[in-house]
Amino acid sequence: DTEVTQTPKHLVMGMTNKKSLKCEQHMGHRAMYWYKQKAKKPPELMFVYSYEKLSINESVPSRFSPECPNSSLLNLHLHALQPEDSALYLCASSQRDQGTAANGYTFGSGTRLTVV
Amino acid sequence: AQSVSQHNHHVILSEAASLELGCNYSYGGTVNLFWYVQYPGQHLQLLLKYFSGDPLVKGIKGFEAEFIKSKFSFNLRKPSVQWSDTAEYFCAVKENNAGNMLTFGGGTRLMVKP
Repeated sequence: DTEVTQTPKHLVMGMTNKKSLKCEQHMGHRAMYWYKQKAKKPPELMFVYSYEKLSINESVPSRFSPECPNSSLLNLHLHALQPEDSALYLCASSQRDQGTAANGYTFGSGTRLTVV
Repeated sequence: AQSVSQHNHHVILSEAASLELGCNYSYGGTVNLFWYVQYPGQHLQLLLKYFSGDPLVKGIKGFEAEFIKSKFSFNLRKPSVQWSDTAEYFCAVKENNAGNMLTFGGGTRLMVKP
């Protein structure tokens, strides 16, 4: 298995809703990432998990709450989002030791989120 | 902080034309370099990468890139583009001391006319 799987592919949620995005990989990668991509813009890093611990939080608002329950799963919990949070949310993974990371990063296909 | 610049925001070419997309980065230390492609409505796909060794790297779909350390550049090339190459192309850089953070350039939107 050489993929990063994200669910759901599309999500529409109201500003008072609570929802979660899920990401799964079975490549043995120990680093996992959440990126946010607005239309016609590059992906922007949100969070980095390394060995299931949060190592980087790029000053993301608390209405986004990441969780890494095990080495294969990464969740992003959403609560009280704003319409401007509508974007494509991308999950990625990589081997922790970049000296052996011959394949670099693997990205999932993303969840297209619309906040209404 | 690391920055990655892609100076061509939009490129329009006819089929069979040659392509070169520029990418420059600011970090002076050891870096890993990537080019990703994003076809309309699809996810990011890795085109090619440079970690070490031969600075001319070949990727999928006939793409190649050359790492020129003295110029802090990693330009993407293809000798003859096809209509199916229409996509957005992102250069990305990882500093070896940056905790696995990948920094993306602003992207170049390529349109190939049939």
